[in-house]
Amino acid sequence: EAQVTQNPRYLITVTGKKLTVTCSQNMNHEYMSWYRQDPGLGLRQIYYSMNVEVTDKGDVPEGYKVSRKEKRNFPLILESPSPNQTSLYFCASSSRTGRSPLHFGNGTRLTVT
Amino acid sequence: KQEVTQIPAALSVPEGENLVLNCSFTDSAIYNLQWFRQDPGKGLTSLLLIQSSQREQTSGRLNASLDKSSGRSTLYIAASQPGDSATYLCAVQTGAGSYQLTFGKGTKLSVIP
Repeated sequence: EAQVTQNPRYLITVTGKKLTVTCSQNMNHEYMSWYRQDPGLGLRQIYYSMNVEVTDKGDVPEGYKVSRKEKRNFPLILESPSPNQTSLYFCASSSRTGRSPLHFGNGTRLTVT
Repeated sequence: KQEVTQIPAALSVPEGENLVLNCSFTDSAIYNLQWFRQDPGKGLTSLLLIQSSQREQTSGRLNASLDKSSGRSTLYIAASQPGDSATYLCAVQTGAGSYQLTFGKGTKLSVIP
């Protein structure tokens, strides 16, 4: 089954403790991206990647890192999480940006205390 | 900077009604526009993608139109059903060379049996 898989689904952590949210897709997609969704603010793009070793900033990249060492994986790294990063995070992928729809994962709900 | 607005924020209709959801954007230099559906606690599901050169796309009871010059798109849902209840989001991708995606805050639709 074609899918985007995020792990974990739920994560509670403390300020400053490094964490990684994994994202993997099995559709051989070139394009992958990360979003956060907050009440009243909607979905905002954090980072995106056009292909292996190619990443770029979205609208809200501060406090986040990404890497794209393999085509199928696009982990999101929070090196020193803070409470304002408490949010619902989504990973998405598509085969050709602009010409095919985005496929989303089911989300990761992160709480930073 | 691209801004995307969706009106209304919430809509409640009786089953069987035809309805229209609206999306407007400030920068008409878009590459494409997508409509998504989001169910509570779930990720987004792509409904329709309209390339900048297209005027509309149809899938089943859904029809989406795009008027780039006026910065507007509409999603038409025919013969609404309770299963259509969800939040509908539109997203625009800015021009070729930039792969940033900007989302509206969504319209929460309730279809009453």
